[in-house]
Amino acid sequence: DTGVSQDPRHKITKRGQNVTFRCDPISEHNRLYWYRQTLGQGPEFLTYFQNEAQLEKSRLLSDRFSAERPKGSFSTLEIQRTEQGDSAMYLCASSFLGRESRGANVLTFGAGSRLTVL
Amino acid sequence: AQRVTQPEKLLSVFKGAPVELKCNYSYSGSPELFWYVQYSRQRLQLLLRHISRESIKGFTADLNKGETSFHLKKPFAQEEDSAMYYCARRGAAGNKLTFGGGTRVLVKP
Repeated sequence: DTGVSQDPRHKITKRGQNVTFRCDPISEHNRLYWYRQTLGQGPEFLTYFQNEAQLEKSRLLSDRFSAERPKGSFSTLEIQRTEQGDSAMYLCASSFLGRESRGANVLTFGAGSRLTVL
Repeated sequence: AQRVTQPEKLLSVFKGAPVELKCNYSYSGSPELFWYVQYSRQRLQLLLRHISRESIKGFTADLNKGETSFHLKKPFAQEEDSAMYYCARRGAAGNKLTFGGGTRVLVKP
């Protein structure tokens, strides 16, 4: 297990196209998070899953965005009809729910998927 | 809404000098505070969390509930400390982290 993996690392698309990002969390982690980060800003929360259940969605997540985690393992984030304002780094993170200890409830981040919408 | 404010976008210090990164958060119950760091070409990673009360890589941070602050400090900065630093909080009611805008630290030789 090499940590949280994200694919693709870079995606360039034309306005109006659909794109999908994949995240593979650390295998024993039951929580998975999606964040978006634009230049000069901190990561902004989009949504998170506990196992396969999507428990919270940000208002940033418009109806063009959809995230799934069908089997409680990997997750996909799809953006339909992309707009130039969607250009950003999309970060995935995972954690395991547990008693407060050295590792529980701490988010481990992937390297991110950079989206450029032309 | 939960907010985390990092007022400095850039801190430039000389090697061996002290460095302090400011972080203020909006008051809400008993938040959990974190500092994350991102070195050049690396992914975002946890530096320290307030409940651990640890010193990591010489950095410490004290939660001041009266001032709603969680400033990060290091008495003697090293060149390898050059990175982006993000303060984050998790509210009692939720599980997500809310991040500040980040502070870039540049340690000059």
